[in-house]
Amino acid sequence: KAGVTQTPRYLIKTRGQQVTLSCSPISGHRSVSWYQQTPGQGLQFLFEYFSETQRNKGNFPGRFSGRQFSNSRSEMNVSTLELGDSALYLCASSLSYGRVGDYGYTFGSGTRLTVV
Amino acid sequence: QQQVKQSPQSLIVQKGGISIINCAYENTAFDYFPWYQQFPGKGPALLIAIRPDVSEKKEGRFTISFNKSAKQFSLHIMDSQPGDSATYFCAARGDGGSQGNLIFGKGTKLSVKP
Repeated sequence: KAGVTQTPRYLIKTRGQQVTLSCSPISGHRSVSWYQQTPGQGLQFLFEYFSETQRNKGNFPGRFSGRQFSNSRSEMNVSTLELGDSALYLCASSLSYGRVGDYGYTFGSGTRLTVV
Repeated sequence: QQQVKQSPQSLIVQKGGISIINCAYENTAFDYFPWYQQFPGKGPALLIAIRPDVSEKKEGRFTISFNKSAKQFSLHIMDSQPGDSATYFCAARGDGGSQGNLIFGKGTKLSVKP
């Protein structure tokens, strides 16, 4: 069974540019969440999608946005990139929303974004 | 502010020893507490999780102890092996609704010496 697939694995962008990251959840998983991981702040929640609707959002500026498609695949977009956006962006999927206690989140290996 | 505090930041244990990582939380609405293991270059992988109505859960060499009144929980790794060397994260999550996200601790880097 394929895991959570994130593309691309590595990305280098220039300040001011925008970037789109992609996440394909495990087949059958309908909930997708995004996290930012940095050495200083650790793992921080960005947003969660279920049934193509954003269900929850973390404390990030509006430059960070996302969406989910009907096949549960998700994308996140960061506009006007800043140096501080350099991080590992992780996507996680779960069978269902609101019942994660039974199934848990499965994380992908992430996309390493470097902003120069 | 919702927080999960994790300690220690780093831990060195001899092969065969017991590794213990502690976490404390503040929000009593949290009702799902997972532990994740992360190797370099990989995403976190779910190790074991517990609900607050259970005081202990064991899966193989990994045990979660949960103290609801103290709002603390811990991970015990018995018979630690060099292959257990990784970063471990505790987390907490509310059960759906507006708390549909994981709040992570800062992580513990575990090194198991042969």
